Amino acid sequence: GENVEQHPSTLSVQEGDSAVIKCTYSDSASNYFPWYKQELGKGPQLIIDIRSNVGEKKDQRIAVTLNKTAKHFSLHITETQPEDSAVYFCAAIISGGYQKVTFGTGTKLQVIP
Amino acid sequence: DAGVIQSPRHEVTEMGQEVTLRCKPISGHNSLFWYRQTMMRGLELLIYFNNNVPIDDSGMPEDRFSAKMPNASFSTLKIQPSEPRDSAVYFCASRGGQGALSGANVLTFGAGSRLTVL
Repeated sequence: GENVEQHPSTLSVQEGDSAVIKCTYSDSASNYFPWYKQELGKGPQLIIDIRSNVGEKKDQRIAVTLNKTAKHFSLHITETQPEDSAVYFCAAIISGGYQKVTFGTGTKLQVIP
Repeated sequence: DAGVIQSPRHEVTEMGQEVTLRCKPISGHNSLFWYRQTMMRGLELLIYFNNNVPIDDSGMPEDRFSAKMPNASFSTLKIQPSEPRDSAVYFCASRGGQGALSGANVLTFGAGSRLTVL
């Protein structure tokens, strides 16, 4: 089955700086890569995703890059704000059909005002 | 749509008691997942259903755990008997349809059920 590794486990940045979280996956058939943000006391929520037919996707201050050859993908948050503080999870999925969703171990991001 | 609805939000029980967690997926979604979240192990997939049928329950820790999905709008996760090490937040999530080009892969989570077993 798919194995997803995520680094770092914790990350502290100053407000306004950038944050980068990296994930690697094992199954080359994976073609859909979502990122979820979990705020305290809430369930994870999808913030951005990327499919294997593109190398980069951006949505305002967040972006995701994908390197299929190396089987890794990254989340980039620019101009971080205190409200970005949360736990972030990545996942790698073979889309279509009935596929289970396995998440990385999570990154706790703290943005220091 | 009210999203994925879980109940109870919080449960405190004593060791040995039966615990039942409930989930109502988003209407029209045909896949349902149960996850357990702890500090030590992160988000663990326990079991998932497609069209009400259990597909993979390899993540269920032991026979004390069982899950059912009697219809498309309801699922339960039961722990009997409960133990202190079962203390965690349990999430239910649902996903709709199939197909790479649709929103079918988007997993929507409920708010979770925080279980404390004393």
